[in-house]
Amino acid sequence: RKEVEQDPGPFNVPEGATVAFNCTYSNSASQSFFWYRQDCRKEPKLLMSVYSSGNEDGRFTAQLNRASQYISLLIRDSKLSDSATYLCVVNMGYGQNFVFGPGTRLSVLP
Amino acid sequence: DADVTQTPRNRITKTGKRIMLECSQTKGHDRMYWYRQDPGLGLRLIYYSFDVKDINKGEISDGYSVSRQAQAKFSLSLESAIPNQTALYFCATSERDDNEQFFGPGTRLTVL
Repeated sequence: RKEVEQDPGPFNVPEGATVAFNCTYSNSASQSFFWYRQDCRKEPKLLMSVYSSGNEDGRFTAQLNRASQYISLLIRDSKLSDSATYLCVVNMGYGQNFVFGPGTRLSVLP
Repeated sequence: DADVTQTPRNRITKTGKRIMLECSQTKGHDRMYWYRQDPGLGLRLIYYSFDVKDINKGEISDGYSVSRQAQAKFSLSLESAIPNQTALYFCATSERDDNEQFFGPGTRLTVL
C-alpha cells in the first residue's frame, strides 16, 4: 500500500460547483498534513495546512480524520483559476520527511 | 527575486554524461531537499539535508549524489545519466518538518 493515496481524478466540474478531494495515509504516526496546489509544469505551492480541528480559508475547507487516517479538501464555488493538480502531503515529524500523494487533477469548466 | 532558484531550467543530455543541477535559496532555511516528479507518480524524494553536515538518502537515491556546499546551496549530480532519469526535478527548503516547504521552479531534464 502506498504511504499516501489520493482520488485518481481527473475531476471535471462546471464553474460554481463544489468539489471534494480525499486523501488517505498509511502511517498512523503522521504528525503534519498539508494540501499543495501545482499548476501545469510549475512548482507545488502550499494551499493550506490541515489542523486536527479542521480549518477554512475562504472557499477552501480542509478536514483531518486521524482515526480513519484521511484528509479531505473541499472547494466551494469553483473558479476557472482553481484548475490545477492538488497534492496531499504528510509528514511524520521528528526529523522525518514529507511524503507526497500522486495528486488529483481538477479542471473547472466554463 | 525568487527565494529558491534552480539552474539550469531545462537540459537535454545524452546517456552516460555527467550532469549537475544546482539549487540556491535565500530563505535561510537549514533543510533542503531534492525531488523528482514523473507523471502519475507524484514527487519522490532523492536526497535531503537538514544542515550542511547532514545529508541523507531519500526514497530513490540510486544513480544520484548531492553536495551541500553551504547553507544556501544544494547540488544534485547524475554521475552517468540514463534515459529513465528523464524527469522534472525540484529543489525545496523548509524551516521545520511541520511547516511549509518552498519549491524552486524545477529543472526539466531529458536524457537521450
